[in-house]
Amino acid sequence: DTGVSQDPRHKITKRGQNVTFRCDPISEHNRLYWYRQTLGQGPEFLTYFQNEAQLEKSRLLSNRFSAERPKGSFSTLEIQRTEQGDSAMYLCASSLTRTGGNGYTFGSGTRLTVV
Amino acid sequence: GENVEQHPSTLSVQEGDSAVIKCTYSDSASNYFPWYKQELGKGPQLIIDIRSNVGEKKDQRIAVTLNKTAKHFSLHITETQPEDSAVYFCAASPDFGNEKLTFGTGTRLTIIP
Repeated sequence: DTGVSQDPRHKITKRGQNVTFRCDPISEHNRLYWYRQTLGQGPEFLTYFQNEAQLEKSRLLSNRFSAERPKGSFSTLEIQRTEQGDSAMYLCASSLTRTGGNGYTFGSGTRLTVV
Repeated sequence: GENVEQHPSTLSVQEGDSAVIKCTYSDSASNYFPWYKQELGKGPQLIIDIRSNVGEKKDQRIAVTLNKTAKHFSLHITETQPEDSAVYFCAASPDFGNEKLTFGTGTRLTIIP
């Protein structure tokens, strides 16, 4: 297993277009998280899944943002009608829930630029 | 919700000296405190973490201390090396990290050769 994989690494899109990002977590990890990171800031939580169930999505920035994890493996994050303010790094992380907890493993992120 | 503050925002130290980064948190329910290192163009990498039932943890040149009463925790890097230059983030989470993390705003550490 090579860790958490995100695709694409970079995406440039025109304002108003829809974009979709993919995340492949570490295979045995049951939790998958999406974060957004803007320049000079720490990652900001968006949503997370346990297997295929989306446990919290209240932090998704608007109804233009949606995430899925249909079979409890990979996940996609879609942004509809992109705006310049959506430009950021979108990070995915995964973990395995267990008593006593554990740390996340982050992917390298997808950098979105909206022009 | 949880709020994590981190200081300083930038830190420059001479190679071989020690570096200390401090964070405070607001939610007494938080019980897991990881530290991440982020290099340019990469995702954050976990370097050390501490749980609320422990006051201090060390891993070679890196140590973390936690004061639950004061709600603050610190990262200590000794004998700094050029490869320690990066942005460091603290974070806090309830349920020992089985839930979302709230991150600080980061510290850009520069090691001067």
